Amino acid sequence: EPEVTQTPSHQVTQMGQEVILRCVPISNHLYFYWYRQILGQKVEFLVSFYNNEISEKSEIFDDQFSVERPDGSNFTLKIRSTKLEDSAMYFCASSDGRNTEAFFGQGTRLTVV
Amino acid sequence: GENVEQHPSTLSVQEGDSAVIKCTYSDSASNYFPWYKQELGKRPQLIIDIRSNVGEKKDQRIAVTLNKTAKHFSLHITETQPEDSAVYFCAASSSYNTDKLIFGTGTRLQVFP
Repeated sequence: EPEVTQTPSHQVTQMGQEVILRCVPISNHLYFYWYRQILGQKVEFLVSFYNNEISEKSEIFDDQFSVERPDGSNFTLKIRSTKLEDSAMYFCASSDGRNTEAFFGQGTRLTVV
Repeated sequence: GENVEQHPSTLSVQEGDSAVIKCTYSDSASNYFPWYKQELGKRPQLIIDIRSNVGEKKDQRIAVTLNKTAKHFSLHITETQPEDSAVYFCAASSSYNTDKLIFGTGTRLQVFP
């Protein structure tokens, strides 16, 4: 069964450093997302990406965040200067259309120290 | 803004009993309502979803009901088993822009043998 894969599974970084989280969505999917989940809390929408551009972003997704689809398979989330409060599980997701199942990756646990 | 409220936050049942989790949403444009199950440290996985043109959907022991007028939807699990123990998230999506999902706060279900 096809699945969304994310790397790394765990990233520890120092405050102020840049991190790049990587995702490989399911190959025929057209819509890509990043969500985050702070430990013990709900899953929060960060950004959606369609047709090679951001289609929507949340208030969390400020100027420190960016997304890119550098080639036909990868989808990345960059945090330019990490803060302690960026520590969370980051999930990538993809879907093949509107109002269809969003498949989640296994997540990257980001710890900012 | 868009919001999804979910109750209860925790639910303990005896094996074989039924469990009901309720959600309300604020965005009247929402037209897709998935339910995700998340086991500890794992990715959210879709267990059932419903679209706004349907009032009820059932899949074996799981059913979801939707009341668009009241902006309310519920998950029903019958004949619960210990392996049903997990955190369950409801979500609502709007097609105005993208299929971003607004998640509820989660319900930790514990099924005791």
